[in-house]
Amino acid sequence: RKEVEQDPGPFNVPEGATVAFNCTYSNSASQSFFWYRQDCRKEPKLLMSVYSSGNEDGRFTAQLNRASQYISLLIRDSKLSDSATYLCVVSRPLDNTDKLIFGTGTRLQVFP
Amino acid sequence: NAGVMQNPRHLVRRRGQEARLRCSPVKGHSHVYWYRQLPEEGLKFMVYLQKENIIDESGMPKERFSAEFPKEGPSILRIQQVVRGDSAAYFCASSPGQGETQYFGPGTRLLVL
Repeated sequence: RKEVEQDPGPFNVPEGATVAFNCTYSNSASQSFFWYRQDCRKEPKLLMSVYSSGNEDGRFTAQLNRASQYISLLIRDSKLSDSATYLCVVSRPLDNTDKLIFGTGTRLQVFP
Repeated sequence: NAGVMQNPRHLVRRRGQEARLRCSPVKGHSHVYWYRQLPEEGLKFMVYLQKENIIDESGMPKERFSAEFPKEGPSILRIQQVVRGDSAAYFCASSPGQGETQYFGPGTRLLVL
């Protein structure tokens, strides 16, 4: 079983739609949580960190449920430029290893 | 400010040759990480280094792969006697300290013929 699981998609949505991605992680010792975005054949770029209280950055809202080991990302008012693969990422820096553990990603395609 | 730089961006090798991938971290960053992304798969951690030290190499294959981050110069990921299964995108990331945000370079795409 993968340590971080995501629905691979693709999610095909029209411009202006609201879309939600979910992710589960299996290691309860995970301490830090992130959403990264990866465009085709490019490097991953940090979209946002995810905090227990939930956090919002413009059209993006991230939520963390530690009890259920579940992370979500909500994108409101989708733009064509949101088309990308969204990577759910966890890490355990207090274990003295800083490695990021990636899900395989959820592909989003926004169409006009 | 220059971000993480990797070179070469594309590398073609024949089976049995050596591949050397270089990573220059963001100026002032002393922590470097290497990840590999196989076609149609997620990124997988390989190794975490600080200057002159390997901190975590739990993701590195036991044979043929090595990494270093010398006091001066870029970090090097070295793959000896490459095989077709080594074909992948290799990403380097750097951060200023443990637990800090990792910034990724553009990657080196290795193709083994």
